[in-house]
Amino acid sequence: DGGITQSPKYLFRKEGQNVTLSCEQNLNHDAMYWYRQDPGQGLRLIYYSQIVNDFQKGDIAEGYSVSREKKESFPLTVTSAQKNPTAFYLCASRTTWVRGNTGELFFGEGSRLTVL
Amino acid sequence: QKEVEQNSGPLSVPEGAIASLNCTYSDRGSQSFFWYRQYSGKSPELIMFIYSNGDKEDGRFTAQLNKASQYVSLLIRDSQPSDSATYLCAVTDTNAGKSTFGDGTTLTVKP
Repeated sequence: DGGITQSPKYLFRKEGQNVTLSCEQNLNHDAMYWYRQDPGQGLRLIYYSQIVNDFQKGDIAEGYSVSREKKESFPLTVTSAQKNPTAFYLCASRTTWVRGNTGELFFGEGSRLTVL
Repeated sequence: QKEVEQNSGPLSVPEGAIASLNCTYSDRGSQSFFWYRQYSGKSPELIMFIYSNGDKEDGRFTAQLNKASQYVSLLIRDSQPSDSATYLCAVTDTNAGKSTFGDGTTLTVKP
C-alpha cells in the first residue's frame, strides 16, 4: 500500500540534543512538507521541498534543518537551537499540481517529540 | 491578523443537527481550499476540497466558497457522534506550492 511513513512515533530528547525525524513516502510525490502542531492549534509549516535537492523555509524554520537527497525521503532535524521543540510533527506529501488532481496533502501518522 | 481564521469554537450540536464551520483568509491569490478532519492524536484526513465559487456537495458535507468575500465554509448535515473532531481549513497557493492552515474548530456532536 502506498503511503507516508514517519518514525519514530514517540521521541524523548534531552535539552541540548539534536534529533532527526524520518519521513519516507512511496506515493511518487514530488513535493514534501513538514508541519508542526501545538495543542489546540493548527499546522504551521516548517520546511517544504518541491523537488529533489531543493527546499524552502516555511513560517517557523528557525532551529530546524532538512535535506532532500532522494525523492522518497525528507528527514527533519530538530536542533538544540529550537527553543521549544515539544510538539506533534507531521510530514506530508503532494503530487505535482496539474489539472485533474485534487492537490490534497497526504499525511503520515506523525511523530510526537517531548523535551525532558 | 492571521492568514487563515476559523470560528474558534468549541462547537457543540445535537445528533442530527447541521454543523456550520467557517473560515476566512487574507491572501486573495489563494486558489484552492480544503477541509481536513483531525481526530485527537491522529493526522488530518481530507473531507472536502473546492476551487470555484459556489457550493460543492459530497454526501452529508457541503463546502461553500466566496472568493470576493474571502470566505469558505463547511456544512455537515445530519451530524453524527463520529463527526466529533477538529476541522482544519487549509488555503493553498498553488504557485508557491504550499498550504496555510487555520487553528481549527473542535466539533462535538452529542447523542
